[in-house]
Amino acid sequence: DAGVIQSPRHEVTEMGQEVTLRCKPISGHNSLFWYRQTMMRGLELLIYFNNNVPIDDSGMPEDRFSAKMPNASFSTLKIQPSEPRDSAVYFCASSPTRAGYTFGSGTRLTVV
Amino acid sequence: AQTVTQSQPEMSVQEAETVTLSCTYDTSESDYYLFWYKQPPSRQMILVIRQEAYKQQNATENRFSVNFQKAAKSFSLKISDSQLGDAAMYFCAYRSAFWGSQGNLIFGKGTKLSVKP
Repeated sequence: DAGVIQSPRHEVTEMGQEVTLRCKPISGHNSLFWYRQTMMRGLELLIYFNNNVPIDDSGMPEDRFSAKMPNASFSTLKIQPSEPRDSAVYFCASSPTRAGYTFGSGTRLTVV
Repeated sequence: AQTVTQSQPEMSVQEAETVTLSCTYDTSESDYYLFWYKQPPSRQMILVIRQEAYKQQNATENRFSVNFQKAAKSFSLKISDSQLGDAAMYFCAYRSAFWGSQGNLIFGKGTKLSVKP
C-alpha cells in the first residue's frame, strides 16, 4: 500500500494565480479530510468527505477555496485566486473507520 | 465543542532518558479516541499511539506509553530510552466515537521535543 499520496510536494506561485492540490487516498478508505497547518493556527480541518460526499466545509476559509472528490480515489483542493496568507502546509488524510487515520506527506504552498 | 490543550510548547530530554509530554482535553462525550502523532522535520504526520476511551488499560507501543486518566481528561505520552530520532513535534489529538459526529481529528498546538546527545 502506497499510503495517502499528495501532489505536488512543494508549490510556489504568485499572488492571484490558481493553485490545485491533489490527493489520492488509500483504497478502501471511505473518509477523506483536508487540513491546513500554519504556525499561528496549528492544524485546522478545512473540509471532510464521506463516501465522496462533502459532509462539512465550514472550515474552508472563504469562497476562494473549493474542494472536490469526483471518485473514491481522487480529491482536489483549489485556491483561486491565491493570496500570500494562504501559504501553509496542506495535508490530506484518509480513514476507513473512526479509529484509523493516515496522513499524506503534505503540500507546502508558498504564495509570493 | 471539544478542545485539546498541550501546555508545553517545548521540551528537552537527554538521550536514553525518559520524558513525559502532557495533554488535556475537554469533552462532554463518554466515548472517543485519543492519539499522539509525531511530526519530524520531514513534516510527515506519523501515528505514535492510540487510546480508546472505553478501554481502561493504557496503550503501549514499544518505548511509547500513555497515562490515560479519563476522569481528569488527561492523556500524557511517556517516551522511554529517548533516541535522537525521537526529536520532533508531537501532537495530541481527539476524535469522537459518536457516529453522528463529524469524525475529524481535533489537534492540540503541539510540543516540540529536542533530544540531547
